[in-house]
Parts: sequence; C-alpha cells; structure tokens
Amino acid sequence: GQNIDQPTEMTATEGAIVQINCTYQTSGFNGLFWYQQHAGEAPTFLSYNVLDGLEEKGRFSSFLSRSKGYSYLLLKELQMKDSASYLCAVFDSNYQLIWGAGTKLIIKP
Amino acid sequence: NAGVTQTPKFRILKIGQSMTLQCTQDMNHNYMYWYRQDPGMGLKLIYYSVGAGITDKGEVPNGYNVSRSTTEDFPLRLELAAPSQTSVYFCASSRQEGRELFFGEGSRLTVL
Repeated sequence: GQNIDQPTEMTATEGAIVQINCTYQTSGFNGLFWYQQHAGEAPTFLSYNVLDGLEEKGRFSSFLSRSKGYSYLLLKELQMKDSASYLCAVFDSNYQLIWGAGTKLIIKP
Repeated sequence: NAGVTQTPKFRILKIGQSMTLQCTQDMNHNYMYWYRQDPGMGLKLIYYSVGAGITDKGEVPNGYNVSRSTTEDFPLRLELAAPSQTSVYFCASSRQEGRELFFGEGSRLTVL
C-alpha cells in the first residue's frame, strides 16, 4: 500500500530551528508538497519538490531525496505564529495525492 | 479574489438527513476536489473533477455524491447522513494536474 510517515508532534523554542521529516512509499513519484495548517483553518501551500535537493523560500526550506523516499521541511528563526500542523503529500504515478497525517508543531517562548 | 468558498462552515445533522455542501471557486481552475479530514489521519479524497461535466470517485466515496455542471461550482451531496460522516470537509481546486491545491475554509459537519 501507499504510505507517508511523519512524526505526530514536535516541540521547539521560539527563535530556534526545527526539521520535520517525511518518508514515503508510493507507486511512483510526481512531486512532493508541504502544506501548513493552523488549527481550525484550511491547509495552505508552503513548498513543492520534484527534483532532488533543497528548495529555499525565506525562513522555510524543503529537501527531497527520491532515492531514499525522504523529505524534510526546515523552519528557521521560529516564531510563535509557526505553531501549526505541517502536512506532507506526494503525487504518485497516477497523480493521486497521498497525504500524511501531519506533524503538529508546538512553539514555546 | 475570493479563491475557494465553501458553505456552510458548520452544520449539525440528524442521522438519515441529507444535505449539500456548496463549493465555488473564481480562479477558473479545471480541477476540483472534495476531501474529508479526521483527527490523526491524512486528508482523504472523496470525489474529484477534472472539468465541467466530469467527476470521478476518490478513496472514500460511499455515502456521497457530486456534480460539476459549471467550472466554478462543485457541490457535495450527503445522502442519509451517518455518524461516520462526522468530519471536517474541505473543497480544493488546482490549475492543472500535479500543481498545488487551493483550499476552502472547510465545513465542520456533525451527525448525531
């Protein structure tokens, strides 16, 4: 079956750096997405990786290794507003989007 | 730009009742989706559409129906509501296959 694994919950300190990992086993690969979802709100797009390597966008970076079925989202200079769930999702060979359960990130002052 | 608009935001149904969740997008996107999100689980695809007049089942279609008469609208119909349909429902759209999804604010449905 197809599966995406992410840690359920992580805690970090304001101003620090945190890395959220995502591993996937899917039938083929056509891109990986990271979304941010604040409690009670809709997911919003953060990043997209289709080739191996690091994509940087301000305080957020996303890394992909297709050979290892692995990605991570790196958040720098953490702010309280970064407290949210982070969802990893992968397009398989049929462009079906497979979602992870999300990682709840708690930021402490 | 309104983006993706869903109504209602909250609804309580009794077992056996029916209702329609409305979804409208003003971005001229061909692809539209309905997901449900349950605590501790990833988003599950209920139905999707690749254009007006074309719909297809997703991972968890039982108990639901959709229609796509226009590019803008993609309503989700719940027939004979059951407690298992208690969930948060999200409508989403994308410009083309494989691109990022834009989500509506969600509809929280409780079936008692």
